[in-house]
Amino acid sequence: DVVMTQSPLSLPVTLGQPASISCRSSQSLVYSDSNTYLTWFQQRPGQSPRRLIYKISNRDSGVPDRFSGSGSGTDFTLKISRVEAEDVGVYYCMQGTHWPPTFGQGTKVEIK
Amino acid sequence: EVQLVESGGGLVQPGGSLGLSCAAAGFTFSNFWMHWVRQAPGKGLVWVSRINGDGTITNYAESVKGRFTISRDNAKNTLYLQLNSLEADDTAVYYCACESYDFWGRGTLVTVSS
Repeated sequence: DVVMTQSPLSLPVTLGQPASISCRSSQSLVYSDSNTYLTWFQQRPGQSPRRLIYKISNRDSGVPDRFSGSGSGTDFTLKISRVEAEDVGVYYCMQGTHWPPTFGQGTKVEIK
Repeated sequence: EVQLVESGGGLVQPGGSLGLSCAAAGFTFSNFWMHWVRQAPGKGLVWVSRINGDGTITNYAESVKGRFTISRDNAKNTLYLQLNSLEADDTAVYYCACESYDFWGRGTLVTVSS
């Protein structure tokens, strides 16, 4: 299975400051159709996961533009330009290129 | 508005069985693959199983293959997961999710304990 490694696992951030989460895969996530099926999810405390970004950098409807995704191949990043209180939670990357789909361990974002 | 509502979770003894359901609304259910994803208490997300739109193709994680069965009833807009030979490690919240993981239910908790 493809291993997804996130760092850091814990990310204390000051309100209004930027935050960055890294996600690395053990194999390239470029699929035969040239798409890269790398997805980011947010899970707020007590809630279900919510898809934020798909195919590396496509933001879902309703997701604030302070969230952005980037990367290629095996190296990906989720950035929050200015952290707000509602951004507290755990963030997961997931690959859907190789079978079976696999998730990163999660990065817990908290306010300092 | 898309809605996914899981039900059927509960406490079951090791070796026991449980049937989960996921009622879907707000989209053409039969057109989409559906997934089950689980999350053990305080842990991360783990993909469990998926099924195609007409129910003819199913896939499973190795950890549940031979014990869990995914199915669907498109006339009832409902997804199912039958859990057999349950083990303590199966204790988790089980979520159903749409094909591209763009919609998720609230989950149903399965606890395997004697």
